[in-house]
Amino acid sequence: QKEVEQDPGPLSVPEGAIVSLNCTYSNSAFQYFMWYRQYSRKGPELLMYTYSSGNKEDGRFTAQVDKSSKYISLFIRDSQPSDSATYLCAMGKTSYDKVIFGPGTSLSVIP
Amino acid sequence: EAGVAQSPRYKIIEKRQSVAFWCNPISGHATLYWYQQILGQGPKLLIQFQNNGVVDDSQLPKDRFSAERLKGVDSTLKIQPAKLEDSAVYLCASSLSLLETQYFGPGTRLLVL
Repeated sequence: QKEVEQDPGPLSVPEGAIVSLNCTYSNSAFQYFMWYRQYSRKGPELLMYTYSSGNKEDGRFTAQVDKSSKYISLFIRDSQPSDSATYLCAMGKTSYDKVIFGPGTSLSVIP
Repeated sequence: EAGVAQSPRYKIIEKRQSVAFWCNPISGHATLYWYQQILGQGPKLLIQFQNNGVVDDSQLPKDRFSAERLKGVDSTLKIQPAKLEDSAVYLCASSLSLLETQYFGPGTRLLVL
């Protein structure tokens, strides 16, 4: 079993839709959870950073962590064509531990 | 503020040849990372520097890969000799310190034939 798993997609939604992206993980020691966005032929950029369980909101983005289920989610409201990218979940055991990335989910938002 | 710079952007070599990648991190960033991203996978950490010291190189294939960070600023990653399975994007990232956000460069796309 891989440490971090994501549905690779591709996921295609119409503009304005609510998008749900998910990751599952196997190591209960993970405490820090991140979502990165990666545009084609670019490096990843950090979108959201959360510690332990709970929700965090930033504009159109909401990150949720459920440590009891080893499951994290990223919700995108009012999706835009500019949101079309690959979304990578990532996690670490401590804030200075190496980050383990999921394989990413490819998202296309159709105008 | 200038971002993380990497060169070259693309490289095509034949197996058993050598190749080197260069990274210039954001000014003032003490921590530098090299990742390997194979098509369809997430980035995998190869090596992490804090200033010019190695923090973690547990996933670096040391029989063929080497990396250095001269004077705690620029860094080079070398593969010698290259194998077909080394075809990937090599990403460099930097952060102010171990606890801070990582900023990624655009990557070097390597194809080994």
